[in-house]
Amino acid sequence: GEDVEQSLFLSVREGDSSVINCTYTDSSSTYLYWYKQEPGAGLQLLTYIFSNMDMKQDQRLTVLLNKKDKHLSLRIADTQTGDSAIYFCAEGGNTGGFKTIFGAGTRLFVKA
Amino acid sequence: DAMVIQNPRYQVTQFGKPVTLSCSQTLNHNVMYWYQQKSSQAPKLLFHYYDKDFNNEADTPDNFQSRRPNTSFCFLDIRSPGLGDAAMYLCATSRGALDEQYFGPGTRLTVT
Repeated sequence: GEDVEQSLFLSVREGDSSVINCTYTDSSSTYLYWYKQEPGAGLQLLTYIFSNMDMKQDQRLTVLLNKKDKHLSLRIADTQTGDSAIYFCAEGGNTGGFKTIFGAGTRLFVKA
Repeated sequence: DAMVIQNPRYQVTQFGKPVTLSCSQTLNHNVMYWYQQKSSQAPKLLFHYYDKDFNNEADTPDNFQSRRPNTSFCFLDIRSPGLGDAAMYLCATSRGALDEQYFGPGTRLTVT
């Protein structure tokens, strides 16, 4: 079945780069997403990548997609304390149409 | 600003007492979704509406119902809440089936 997996925790020092990894199973997914969730809040779409791309850069964010290995990563350059949150990887736009499958989220801790 | 609004942000209900959560959107999107998110877990899709067409996920309990009286509003009704229904409920919208989803801030439901 469809599944998205990601590690649960990541801790980095302020100013370092953070890399959050994700694997997915549905090769028919059209879009792969990264969402950010701050405490007590809803999910905020950070960035997404089409499945026919292998990299997308947006300011401090770099998304890398290895479609062969079904591996997605999010790199945050110059990580700040305000980046502390839960980051969800998700796949969507697949043969199921409406369904977006989320991972369980990676909690990023940024130490000052 | 166009947005997805959820009311209330926090809801307390008693075991077995019906409760309704509401969601509204100013994005004029065709699709509205309801997700259930329990602590440290991925959001789980309960159902969605494409315009007036209702689509229930196979594993959504019968206890959960939804109404969409018009494009802007969508309601989640929990007929007889149990302790296991305590969670964050997230509403999301998208323009179409394959488009990115925009989330509201969520309603945190407590069942006493």
